[in-house]
Amino acid sequence: EPEVTQTPSHQVTQMGQEVILRCVPISNHLYFYWYRQILGQKVEFLVSFYNNEISEKSEIFDDQFSVERPDGSNFTLKIRSTKLEDSAMYFCASSDDGFQPQHFGDGTRLSIL
Amino acid sequence: GQQLNQSPQSMFIQEGEDVSMNCTSSSIFNTWLWYKQEPGEGPVLLIALYKAGELTSNGRLTAQFGITRKDSFLNISASIPSDVGIYFCAGPLNNAGGTSYGKLTFGQGTILTVHP
Repeated sequence: EPEVTQTPSHQVTQMGQEVILRCVPISNHLYFYWYRQILGQKVEFLVSFYNNEISEKSEIFDDQFSVERPDGSNFTLKIRSTKLEDSAMYFCASSDDGFQPQHFGDGTRLSIL
Repeated sequence: GQQLNQSPQSMFIQEGEDVSMNCTSSSIFNTWLWYKQEPGEGPVLLIALYKAGELTSNGRLTAQFGITRKDSFLNISASIPSDVGIYFCAGPLNNAGGTSYGKLTFGQGTILTVHP
């Protein structure tokens, strides 16, 4: 069964550094999403992306965050200057249209030191 | 913002027992989704419910979409050790003019532990 893949599985970064989290959504999907989950808490929406632009973003997704689909297969989340509170699991998800359930990757654990 | 409240927060059961958990909201949802998350993995979709009153099964799992559209429950029959994990309900934020799966709002999860 097709799946969403994310790399790396774990990223350790110094505070203030830039990180890029990578995702390969399911190949025929058109809608892409990033969520995060702070340890022990619920999954929170960050941003949705369709037709090469952001369709919606949450309050968490401030100017330090950006997303990009640099080619036909990858979908990336960049955090420009990481903070300690950015430490979390980051999940990428995709769906084939806006009316179908989202399928999630296994996440990247981001640890900010 | 929209909140989904799940109960119970955690359950400790013996293998073979049936399990029931539910999710409520102060807002109406047009779709309810149930996901399971195991350690080190992302949420995996278990069941999707599309209309009020709908009852849907997936193996030993059964979920229902409440008729008020503000609640849903998930039942697991004859639990087994591999049922261990966190179960999340989730629903999409409805955009004006129709239902879309844009932003998913998640409940805080029910942690299920199954003792052999």
